[in-house]
Amino acid sequence: KNQVEQSPQSLIILEGKNCTLQCNYTVSPFSNLRWYKQDTGRGPVSLTIMTFSENTKSNGRYTATLDADTKQSSLHITASQLSDSASYICVVSLNDYKLSFGAGTTVTVRA
Amino acid sequence: DAGVIQSPRHEVTEMGQEVTLRCKPISGHNSLFWYRQTMMRGLELLIYFNNNVPIDDSGMPEDRFSAKMPNASFSTLKIQPSEPRDSAVYFCASSRRSVDEQFFGPGTRLTVL
Repeated sequence: KNQVEQSPQSLIILEGKNCTLQCNYTVSPFSNLRWYKQDTGRGPVSLTIMTFSENTKSNGRYTATLDADTKQSSLHITASQLSDSASYICVVSLNDYKLSFGAGTTVTVRA
Repeated sequence: DAGVIQSPRHEVTEMGQEVTLRCKPISGHNSLFWYRQTMMRGLELLIYFNNNVPIDDSGMPEDRFSAKMPNASFSTLKIQPSEPRDSAVYFCASSRRSVDEQFFGPGTRLTVL
């Protein structure tokens, strides 16, 4: 069973709207939790990195939250743009180099 | 900085042929990672190098896969012989230290017919 579960698998939103992606993990302990954005045909790019003691981290219109008690994280996208169409991957760092990847949520932003 | 460079970007080959994927990490990064991404299994770590030395190759699927890092600026992932189930996107990533953010290359899309 995957140690990192993401939902929904995919979603479609209208340009300008907000959306929230969910990530549940079973890994414990962990050193940090990361959200990556992967555009079609490209490699993943880091959006946020949070240690287990951090509750929230923002990067422009992207805001990640972490609840270490419930082992849940979310990524909120504000005022979506067409360029936000991508796959968003939740990643938990198991040790100093090993990462556990979620399957990703595919976001499609429509005009 | 040009980022992590991978070549080729696309490779189509026939079953049984040897395939070599290449990676140039970001200058100054001492950790290099090879990943494979498929629809079924997502991203999987194949092998991790630190200071050019293979540290963890437990993700290498079988003996047909091998990886080398002859110097700090170059690494190869070789599949010999290739099989259709090896079809996937292979990513190389590097980080300044093993605990730091990993920067991914653009990937090599491999199709084995």
